[in-house]
Amino acid sequence: AQSVTQLDSHVSVSEGTPVLLRCNYSSSYSPSLFWYVQHPNKGLQLLLKYTSAATLVKGINGFEAEFKKSETSFHLTKPSAHMSDAAEYFCVVIPRGGYNKLIFGAGTRLAVHP
Amino acid sequence: DSGVTQTPKHLITATGQRVTLRCSPRSGDLSVYWYQQSLDQGLQFLIQYYNGEERAKGNILERFSAQQFPDLHSELNLSSLELGDSALYFCASSEGLATSLGAAGELFFGEGSRLTVL
Repeated sequence: AQSVTQLDSHVSVSEGTPVLLRCNYSSSYSPSLFWYVQHPNKGLQLLLKYTSAATLVKGINGFEAEFKKSETSFHLTKPSAHMSDAAEYFCVVIPRGGYNKLIFGAGTRLAVHP
Repeated sequence: DSGVTQTPKHLITATGQRVTLRCSPRSGDLSVYWYQQSLDQGLQFLIQYYNGEERAKGNILERFSAQQFPDLHSELNLSSLELGDSALYFCASSEGLATSLGAAGELFFGEGSRLTVL
């Protein structure tokens, strides 16, 4: 079965410093992976997606993620954090044949300090 | 604003009661999905409808049911409520069935309905 593990439940950074949110996946085939963001009291929004094209995927708001098959990882990064990036981030995998039955990781709450 | 509207935003009820959550998808979207977000289970897929028909089921309890109406809005019915049903229920929509990887994964989520069962 496919699954994702988000390695940190909370990450705290200072404004202007890099962001790294870690996600490892488990899949018996080449997966489709996504990052979603949930701002406080808001719905989830797609940040970026990987579907076996380029391994470095660029998303909205300056975020990007790199698919590394050898490490079974799909970490989310941003060079410089903004206060508005404070939110919960979810790594997501799609099971084979269940293209919109999203399987969510437990989430990483990102705090950004001035 | 995702274009997906959910009502009510907050709902407090008692154990054993029944509630109905409503979702209006984005204009033009035929697929509607329901997800449950709870502290202990995280975000879980419940059920999907496409153009009025049930297309996929996830971890939905037998006490829960859903339907999609001809105008494409959807309702999630939760009955015989238990304390453990307290959660944030999200509705999401997408244009089609996403039968290819290229079209998969991009769902548009509403802001959720927070259910508290006392």
